[in-house]
Amino acid sequence: GAGVSQSPSNKVTEKGKDVELRCDPISGHTALYWYRQSLGQGLEFLIYFQGNSAPDKSGLPSDRFSAERTGGSVSTLTIQRTQQEDSAVYLCASSLGIQETQYFGPGTRLLVL
Amino acid sequence: GIQVEQSPPDLILQEGANSTLRCNFSDSVNNLQWFHQNPWGQLINLFYIPSGTKQNGRLSATTVATERYSLLYISSSQTTDSGVYFCAVVGNDMRFGAGTRLTVKP
Repeated sequence: GAGVSQSPSNKVTEKGKDVELRCDPISGHTALYWYRQSLGQGLEFLIYFQGNSAPDKSGLPSDRFSAERTGGSVSTLTIQRTQQEDSAVYLCASSLGIQETQYFGPGTRLLVL
Repeated sequence: GIQVEQSPPDLILQEGANSTLRCNFSDSVNNLQWFHQNPWGQLINLFYIPSGTKQNGRLSATTVATERYSLLYISSSQTTDSGVYFCAVVGNDMRFGAGTRLTVKP
């Protein structure tokens, strides 16, 4: 596609429910990144993929968070048993390779009630 | 973890002015990045700059890794430069600063 796309653009959920966020990177980009931005915590790095592998998962805030990437393309970020503190904008970016320019999607705004 | 401090927190400029944004970090890092987030929330990766100087149009960045700081220079500022500028460092993990909010007035 022309750019990084994310879906849904907005998600409102109830505390305790699971949510799945999707990122479609730019075609041919091997690296994919997840970040989140919240009023309380600012910008945080969550995880990155090189191909389908995530070398370091230590940025994920808790074991309720998981991410996967299949076929070197689409990635999903799953949050289980959502909490109110999970409310944030979740941003995805992709790049041709590690330490290449990252292109960001528009984000998914998650609100946990 | 590494502490990242950005200054100033807020900056207001008249169009055409130059500015310098600073990013200090508390430990040695493998990489440093500068990002711009426009007023509509869109993030743009400006530079990867673990050391040395890079230039891209009116923007340039310098990182002095031995002294643990990086500077972002904006010359001849334009209203489209408004937004928040973040630096992020990569050591054992990746940490962002709180950002500098730049407002360029016409």
